[in-house]
Amino acid sequence: DSGVTQTPKHLITATGQRVTLRCSPRSGDLSVYWYQQSLDQGLQFLIQYYNGEERAKGNILERFSAQQFPDLHSELNLSSLELGDSALYFCASSVGSGGGSETQYFGPGTRLLVL
Amino acid sequence: AQTVTQSQPEMSVQEAETVTLSCTYDTSESDYYLFWYKQPPSRQMILVIRQEAYKQQNATENRFSVNFQKAAKSFSLKISDSQLGDAAMYFCAYRSAQGAQKLVFGQGTRLTINP
Repeated sequence: DSGVTQTPKHLITATGQRVTLRCSPRSGDLSVYWYQQSLDQGLQFLIQYYNGEERAKGNILERFSAQQFPDLHSELNLSSLELGDSALYFCASSVGSGGGSETQYFGPGTRLLVL
Repeated sequence: AQTVTQSQPEMSVQEAETVTLSCTYDTSESDYYLFWYKQPPSRQMILVIRQEAYKQQNATENRFSVNFQKAAKSFSLKISDSQLGDAAMYFCAYRSAQGAQKLVFGQGTRLTINP
């Protein structure tokens, strides 16, 4: 158990819908990262938040957005869902902003299926 | 942009034997970190081992060790005394020491342990 929690574990929805994925980092960790794992794209970085502020952005679609709240939990919002958005979405956390010898610890993931 | 390549989609090994998983990467940076993550059937991403590029000594964690060849941009993982619980997908990952702290992953190697 990494100490990172994600809810829900599974999500089934329809095209065009909107969903929210939630992540709670390890106690004391200030950074949250979101990754997408799909069969065709592999594991890809989406976005990082550090202490409430967006720190880095990767291959995140405009239909997706994220935020980190004062209690440091984070939410990833996916809207106008398409079949290709079906994937495993991971949240990871680290102590600081991610530099130096920091390690990212991953949550169990949320499996999203868009029908 | 940095890239990570795992040329072995699948590997298999007899229980108690030794196996080596290959990883190469491309970067123009001199300071960075390399990781091996394990993803068992539960889909959880578990850190196996970490290597700092500035350290010449290869990292070791119990039965897991790496062969880090900086000039060749190679970072292989050796698993000694393979156990049934080692069966998983293994991902090699790169992270810059400065700038964006995202992990860049390879495509993964599926390791099967034969009893």
